Amino acid sequence: GENVEQHPSTLSVQEGDSAVIKCTYSDSASNYFPWYKQELGKGPQLIIDIRSNVGEKKDQRIAVTLNKTAKHFSLHITETQPEDSAVYFCAEGYSSASKIIFGSGTRLSIRP
Amino acid sequence: DTAVSQTPKYLVTQMGNDKSIKCEQNLGHDTMYWYKQDSKKFLKIMFSYNNKELIINETVPNRFSPKSPDKAHLNLHINSLELGDSAVYFCASSQRVEGEAFFGQGTRLTVV
Repeated sequence: GENVEQHPSTLSVQEGDSAVIKCTYSDSASNYFPWYKQELGKGPQLIIDIRSNVGEKKDQRIAVTLNKTAKHFSLHITETQPEDSAVYFCAEGYSSASKIIFGSGTRLSIRP
Repeated sequence: DTAVSQTPKYLVTQMGNDKSIKCEQNLGHDTMYWYKQDSKKFLKIMFSYNNKELIINETVPNRFSPKSPDKAHLNLHINSLELGDSAVYFCASSQRVEGEAFFGQGTRLTVV
């Protein structure tokens, strides 16, 4: 079935520490896994994505890992900064079904 | 230039009314979506259109009727509004499903 579980729902970390958000999907046909950041009053914005033929991808302080066997993927943010505070969504893409399914979101707060 | 623009940004209306939300994208994308985000931040897909054709209708009540006059526009018309329709509605577009989806700023609909 189509389901993406995301944990934790809220996360508070000290500025400068790392934050990790994890997601699990159920459909082995999924081949695209994006992460979105939503700031207050705005629409979600893509921050990084990974495809099923890659195990890890990094972009400056942000990295995503994918374990196809276990059907889970994670977002890692290092050296967190106040502007990282937002709601983060994982998602999975179904090219055959023409849609992207979102996780339930993680509210990340960075403590100064 | 705004990539995905939707209007209005805020919409307050009484139960039973009919309202429309407009969406336009200037990115030349083939696929457009409507998502509903409830008070708990859950992002749920409602509709997916590809080249003006309906691809996905995720068990949305018949009171919701999307209309795509051309590839760049996907409007959402809602009949007989109910209290439970109160949410933030996001329009989005992407060139393909396995690619970045660009979201509009959202329309906060409040039914009183």
